[in-house]
Amino acid sequence: EAAVTQSPRNKVAVTGGKVTLSCNQTNNHNNMYWYRQDTGHGLRLIHYSYGAGSTEKGDIPDGYKASRPSQENFSLILELATPSQTSVYFCASGDWGDQDTQYFGPGTRLLVL
Amino acid sequence: GEQVEQLPSILRVQEGSSASINCTYENSASNYFPWYKQEPGENPKLIIDIRSNMERKQTQGLIVLLDKKAKRFSLHITDTQPGDSAMYFCAASSGGSNAKLTFGKGTKLSVKS
Repeated sequence: EAAVTQSPRNKVAVTGGKVTLSCNQTNNHNNMYWYRQDTGHGLRLIHYSYGAGSTEKGDIPDGYKASRPSQENFSLILELATPSQTSVYFCASGDWGDQDTQYFGPGTRLLVL
Repeated sequence: GEQVEQLPSILRVQEGSSASINCTYENSASNYFPWYKQEPGENPKLIIDIRSNMERKQTQGLIVLLDKKAKRFSLHITDTQPGDSAMYFCAASSGGSNAKLTFGKGTKLSVKS
């Protein structure tokens, strides 16, 4: 199974502060994704990337930026964190083709006070 | 974009019985339909998927049915066990290199022994 890691695993931030969530995958997948998971909403796509240097807006991009500096790394950036961004964030990677499978990281639990 | 509706949101069954979860989608171009299982505190894990060139797929006590005309697909868990208790998410994608998954809001399955 694909190896996707996330850091930090838990984060407490203050309102208005900057938060960076990091994701690393070691399987040379082209595509990477950031989701947030909230009760009653399932998994919602924030940003995604097709490769190094590319970022695309997902379904709920407002308040978030993304950066893909390399094939392996994909970051989610909250420039001015708000309490409404308190959530569990999952990174995923995958390649479209015969498999089309997305592999999820362990998640980051973010609390914005 | 795609919209995926998933029902029921909560499902309680007796051990040994079957459990069924239903999803509908809107985009007739969607051609890939994965199902993910998520246990408490864990990340979502792919358990089975089906593509639009199939109507039925079965693996290890799981059956997925796809009705393209009705834009409906379903997961059936036969002979449920307590270990099947978890959140289940369906998703849909139009496939291809630029595709992305749209998830349903999830079903919380509880299997009582």
